[in-house]
Amino acid sequence: DGGITQSPKYLFRKEGQNVTLSCEQNLNHDAMYWYRQDPGQGLRLIYYSQIVNDFQKGDIAEGYSVSREKKESFPLTVTSAQKNPTAFYLCASSTTAGPRDTQYFGPGTRLTVL
Amino acid sequence: QKEVEQDPGPLSVPEGAIVSLNCTYSNSAFQYFMWYRQYSRKGPELLMYTYSSGNKEDGRFTAQVDKSSKYISLFIRDSQPSDSATYLCAMRLTGNTPLVFGKGTRLSVIA
Repeated sequence: DGGITQSPKYLFRKEGQNVTLSCEQNLNHDAMYWYRQDPGQGLRLIYYSQIVNDFQKGDIAEGYSVSREKKESFPLTVTSAQKNPTAFYLCASSTTAGPRDTQYFGPGTRLTVL
Repeated sequence: QKEVEQDPGPLSVPEGAIVSLNCTYSNSAFQYFMWYRQYSRKGPELLMYTYSSGNKEDGRFTAQVDKSSKYISLFIRDSQPSDSATYLCAMRLTGNTPLVFGKGTRLSVIA
């Protein structure tokens, strides 16, 4: 069953702690993305990667870090430097095979900082 | 000015109504246009994909792109309560650039 999985679904963290969100895809997509969604804010791009071992900052990368060691995995670390990390985090992937590719999303992880 | 503007709603319509959702954008270089549907606490799912100007129809859904006016629309005919969701427009410059999203419009279809 092909798709994008994110874990955990809900995550609670104390202030000052780093936390890593998992994103895995078995669609053989080259590109992967992380977005943050806040109420009334739409989706804002954090980081994206178009190929293994390479990634670029999005619009709101401060306080976040990523790695892309494998094609199917793109974990996101929310560091203690992120001032307001409580949000819904969405991972997406797409092919880079041509102009008609588009993004498919995972189910999301809701992070709450206590 | 935001790159993509979308009225957040909420929009409430009776079952069976025709719904019109819209986005405007400022960057005339956008070429690919998408509509996503997002149910509460779920990831967005792709609904419609169009390239350049024109119309595309899929069942009860029609996507319209007017590049001269920098305006895109999604029409839902015979709306159903199951259409109640947030609808996000998205667009990109070329095939490999990240999507730029509108803030989403929350739609409620009342039975």
